[in-house]
Amino acid sequence: DIHMTQSPSSLSASVGDRVTITCRAGQGISSSLAWFQQKPGKAPNLLLYGASGLASGVPSRFSGSASGTDYTLTISSLQPEDFATYYCQQYYFIPITFGQGTRLEIK
Amino acid sequence: QLRLQESGPGLVKPSETLSLTCTVSGGSITSNSYYWAWIRQSPGKGLEWIGSIYNSGSTYYNPSLKSRVTLSVDTSRNQFSLRLTSVTAADTAVYYCARQFGIPNWFDPWGQGTLVTISS
Repeated sequence: DIHMTQSPSSLSASVGDRVTITCRAGQGISSSLAWFQQKPGKAPNLLLYGASGLASGVPSRFSGSASGTDYTLTISSLQPEDFATYYCQQYYFIPITFGQGTRLEIK
Repeated sequence: QLRLQESGPGLVKPSETLSLTCTVSGGSITSNSYYWAWIRQSPGKGLEWIGSIYNSGSTYYNPSLKSRVTLSVDTSRNQFSLRLTSVTAADTAVYYCARQFGIPNWFDPWGQGTLVTISS
């Protein structure tokens, strides 16, 4: 299985901050990576696919990039509704696997 | 707007079979190119893909669960289902169904999820 390692596991930030979350794949996945946002008691919600493609209805403050086996989710200016847990998911190999999550909290 | 809704027992006894159904509304389960997936989430193991099925019945399973999982589809009811046999406490989780843009691919949208507890 492809192991996906997210860092940090938790993060405290303030409204208006620029935030970066990283997901490292255990081997090359050719940008076959999605990012999800999950709020307590809710299902994950797709933010990005193909490492940098913005899902429908997702604000443009969310962006993604790739460098080798490292994938980055950036939120350019945190809004109150962005405090949640974020997950990456690789879909290059079966079984499909997810990162362990990054909890973004209000400072 | 496509919606998915999981249904089934919230409590299953150890060694028995977990059965869940996902009802799709606002779109057809026979739409070309889409697979239909089950994913679960537990505190101990995080998010875990269980398997995916096409409207023809073609399936892909997570090897870690393959010996215990069966997915099926009922196109007449616009539903797909999960059966997980010989359950243990480790199978306690929130179970989600989701649409998948081909296999393998990302998941969108997801159902709201249903908590299944394995306990006697």
